[in-house]
Amino acid sequence: TQLLEQSPQFLSIQEGENLTVYCNSSSVFSSLQWYRQEPGEGPVLLVTVVTGGEVKKLKRLTFQFGDARKDSSLHITAAQPGDTGLYLCAADTGNQFYFGTGTSLTVIP
Amino acid sequence: GAVVSQHPSRVICKSGTSVKIECRSLDFQATTMFWYRQFPKQSLMLMATSNEGSKATYEQGVEKDKFLINHASLTLSTLTVTSAHPEDSSFYICSASLALSYEQYFGPGTRLTVT
Repeated sequence: TQLLEQSPQFLSIQEGENLTVYCNSSSVFSSLQWYRQEPGEGPVLLVTVVTGGEVKKLKRLTFQFGDARKDSSLHITAAQPGDTGLYLCAADTGNQFYFGTGTSLTVIP
Repeated sequence: GAVVSQHPSRVICKSGTSVKIECRSLDFQATTMFWYRQFPKQSLMLMATSNEGSKATYEQGVEKDKFLINHASLTLSTLTVTSAHPEDSSFYICSASLALSYEQYFGPGTRLTVT
């Protein structure tokens, strides 16, 4: 059983479309991170959220941490081919660090 | 800041041989380093957590005698895959952190192919 479930697992969309990726758990986390990973490379940190209800924006990416600090979402507006990659959420319980199941996004030009 | 390097980026070895992968934090002192394994389009699987100067803590199902981890300094951790077999072929990624509950910074990964 995965502590952090991401949905969808795979997503293929046309350039210009919007999308949302979800990261859900039944556990409460002290912080949650989102990473993007391109093939053959290590994950790159996009954002860290620590406060319940927190919303952070990074250009066309909007990240939200759930009020109860159990879940998070990543919304991409007007997706571009450069957004293609594996998106991973990761969370810290204070004692251990867990990665989500991952969402593989393909943006078609 | 927070740059982590891995060497080599790709390695091909014959079955039965051992391979060492290095992970270095270039601009900060990493108290804790993590080693992950990743299969194509899947998430990262934590193999072990190592703290400088102490023995690594391995996740359930990871053979400590097969995957030897050494964290001899605050900037270097090594993973040695001993007696490698084709099923060990994978993408191995390390990360470094100031401490267990701090943000992790990832290396670029090492693609291991065992023939």
